[in-house]
Amino acid sequence: GAGVSQTPSNKVTEKGKYVELRCDPISGHTALYWYRQSLGQGPEFLIYFQGTGAADDSGLPNDRFFAVRPEGSVSTLKIQRTERGDSAVYLCASSPTGGGSTGELFFGEGSRLTVL
Amino acid sequence: EDQVTQSPEALRLQEGESSSLNCSYTVSGLRGLFWYRQDPGKGPEFLFTLYSAGEEKEKERLKATLTKKESFLHITAPKPEDSATYLCAVQVTRQLTFGSGTQLTVLP
Repeated sequence: GAGVSQTPSNKVTEKGKYVELRCDPISGHTALYWYRQSLGQGPEFLIYFQGTGAADDSGLPNDRFFAVRPEGSVSTLKIQRTERGDSAVYLCASSPTGGGSTGELFFGEGSRLTVL
Repeated sequence: EDQVTQSPEALRLQEGESSSLNCSYTVSGLRGLFWYRQDPGKGPEFLFTLYSAGEEKEKERLKATLTKKESFLHITAPKPEDSATYLCAVQVTRQLTFGSGTQLTVLP
């Protein structure tokens, strides 16, 4: 069956540009997470959606980062005025559990963002 | 602040040489401890969830154990295909807090 799909797999952009990263979760999964992973580090939490709403956005580093999930399925992570420090792999994960324990997260392969 | 520390950062083993990876944590109100495997260029792949001290889970050559302050991932008679980065994560609210991982290399 289809897993979590992320596009693009690679994105190279220039400092100051706007970037959108897309995540298509496993069908029927109500919970969706965005994480960011720098080289040699573990994934760092950014934002969590339960359905269409952002239930926890405490990991977003600043107001240049924004994410939406308008229909409770596909999500888009948007980064404005990109900086070189934004370079990382952006991972999306989904889960079938609604509320309560997170349980197992199913991760996509990530979108590698390089800001020149 | 929740903290997760994994050791060693890197580990090289000969095929068949058993060892253990450590994950120590400092959290308030642990809801679960997770182990994931990550291959280069891939997203993390779920291995185990442990919920309470004394709990153990096994899968093929891997066994995960949990105490009140740390978790161990024991690898018995590893094979080259076990080479990967192993990530530990703790859950307090709904999100996971990950450690930096242990990069395991198993030599044939």
